[in-house]
Amino acid sequence: NAGVMQNPRHLVRRRGQEARLRCSPMKGHSHVYWYRQLPEEGLKFMVYLQKENIIDESGMPKERFSAEFPKEGPSILRIQQVVRGDSAAYFCASSLGLETYNEQFFGPGTRLTVL
Amino acid sequence: GNSVTQMEGPVTLSEEAFLTINCTYTATGYPSLFWYVQYPGEGLQLLLKATKADDKGSNKGFEATYRKETTSFHLEKGSVQVSDSAVYFCALSSSGGSYIPTFGRGTSLIVHP
Repeated sequence: NAGVMQNPRHLVRRRGQEARLRCSPMKGHSHVYWYRQLPEEGLKFMVYLQKENIIDESGMPKERFSAEFPKEGPSILRIQQVVRGDSAAYFCASSLGLETYNEQFFGPGTRLTVL
Repeated sequence: GNSVTQMEGPVTLSEEAFLTINCTYTATGYPSLFWYVQYPGEGLQLLLKATKADDKGSNKGFEATYRKETTSFHLEKGSVQVSDSAVYFCALSSSGGSYIPTFGRGTSLIVHP
């Protein structure tokens, strides 16, 4: 039973390029969350999605960032026109549901470096 | 809103020492509380959880008790090992935050042989 999968594990982009981060949730999980972890900081919630729906994007920057979770395929976090401040580790998590007791399972993360 | 406050790290201990990492919270509703661990280069893994007041979560020798009166969920281990070196995150989830988990900043633990 594969866990949450993220790819790529490491991504290097130059300023102005686009970054696409992929997340495949655990089998049977329909809830996906994206978090950003900056050096020396904790996890910051970005967006919560269910299949074909964005449920809560209150943590997403208003510009350049977007996320989707299509009916088929992985969830995608897309960052357009990357800047150096976007360099961080981006983690995806999935859960069975949203109830308070539901554990989130995390992927290994994608470490984005913007040159 | 919900918030989680953890003691700042790094916490540096010798092997077999006693560990406490403090965590306090504010929350609306009735939160569930979690401790996650992140080993270098990896994602977070759930270490333990407690879903109601006075519950004690435990796993791999780690324990934490849900104290509603002090709004705390301190992580303890009686005898740490070098392999426990990691970053530990306290988190909560409640209806007041639409069940989206709120994480603390993390506490780095370094255990020396």
